[in-house]
Amino acid sequence: AQKITQTQPGMFVQEKEAVTLDCTYDTSDQSYGLFWYKQPSSGEMIFLIYQGSYDEQNATEGRYSLNFQKARKSANLVISASQLGDSAMYFCAMRGYGNNRLAFGKGNQVVVIP
Amino acid sequence: DARVTQTPRHKVTEMGQEVTMRCQPILGHNTVFWYRQTMMQGLELLAYFRNRAPLDDSGMPKDRFSAEMPDATLATLKIQPSEPRDSAVYFCASGFPFLGQRETQYFGPGTRLLVL
Repeated sequence: AQKITQTQPGMFVQEKEAVTLDCTYDTSDQSYGLFWYKQPSSGEMIFLIYQGSYDEQNATEGRYSLNFQKARKSANLVISASQLGDSAMYFCAMRGYGNNRLAFGKGNQVVVIP
Repeated sequence: DARVTQTPRHKVTEMGQEVTMRCQPILGHNTVFWYRQTMMQGLELLAYFRNRAPLDDSGMPKDRFSAEMPDATLATLKIQPSEPRDSAVYFCASGFPFLGQRETQYFGPGTRLLVL
């Protein structure tokens, strides 16, 4: 079974600054995938970024990057140059080997202030 | 711009009534997922289908919930009879399998259900 842990309290971030959201995971699988989703106040779940366990490089998608530390089982999301529209809940998720289920963490709340 | 669509977006009903939620996956996606989100439990997988066949519905209360895919463009989730504890946001997501673990699930806007 996979387990995702997101324990940071809600965060206030100054516009244009970078923010790092922590995610640790637990799995016995060698092959797995890690995902981050954004959920703004409107409620939809928006896919942001993917990291495969065998990917040699950290994933990047525009202002989003994933700091993947396999030995520590962490997959932190970095948002650079925060914008007001980045205010949302951010969920880390994981899929194990041969498994279609996504296991989600409890989320990190981010509020970007001008 | 391909998106997963869900109807209704909001539903208020009384305890004991039947609730039907519908989902249209992204065209070409052959995997459909149903999730429920509550403050207490977070996001939970209820069921998922591949090529319209149910692969896993172990997360679903069997006595009152049922999920089907009558065709490739429609997935339904029914609750009969509904109870106040079913109040939640229900998400549908669709995906297309890649090699390895890369399959990404794209979520619909959700149905906010309130059972009084």
